Amino acid sequence: DTAVSQTPKYLVTQMGNDKSIKCEQNLGHDTMYWYKQDSKKFLKIMFSYNNKELIINETVPNRFSPKSPDKAHLNLHINSLELGDSAVYFCASSLLDRKNKNIQYFGAGTRLSVL
Amino acid sequence: AQSVTQLDSQVPVFEEAPVELRCNYSSSVSVYLFWYVQYPNQGLQLLLKYLSGSTLVKGINGFEAEFNKSQTSFHLRKPSVHISDTAEYFCAVSEDSSYKLIFGSGTRLLVRP
Repeated sequence: DTAVSQTPKYLVTQMGNDKSIKCEQNLGHDTMYWYKQDSKKFLKIMFSYNNKELIINETVPNRFSPKSPDKAHLNLHINSLELGDSAVYFCASSLLDRKNKNIQYFGAGTRLSVL
Repeated sequence: AQSVTQLDSQVPVFEEAPVELRCNYSSSVSVYLFWYVQYPNQGLQLLLKYLSGSTLVKGINGFEAEFNKSQTSFHLRKPSVHISDTAEYFCAVSEDSSYKLIFGSGTRLLVRP
């Protein structure tokens, strides 16, 4: 059973299109995240939701809009895709409590290629 | 502000040799420290973590790391590497009461036969 699952694994699309990436976790966690990994492998947080509330919103273009319908899901919608959006997007989840200290578990990633 | 520095972008090593991957961080408050491993075309897997207590922590696949508060370091070690350890290794830090993980730039471990 996959703990944090993302779909699709690969996404190839044209500039200007709108696309979504979905993430689901079955760990019972209350917090979910989106990270972007660029071509140099650098990982940077984009967003985080805790119990469906946005708690982290880094400097990300407003073409990116996260949505959390419930604690187990966090989707990422991207409007008007640009070449620079090409990257691997990782979803992660954690349980924010004193014991777990925000240990984050990651999905397998979605490789987005914008042509 | 937090930051993480992984000085070595690539570490080549022969199979069965020991290895150390270096990680230094900067933070003015208590931190939690993590090492993640990313195998080619895969996601990130938690290798080990330091939350509190003993400064020497053991993880999966025979890896261990030592937290050194005075040197603000959290170096990763393995006494004898295998070909299958070839991967990208990321050090990350999270401050107490922060929701964010701040990652280093990664170190590629290349194990040669």
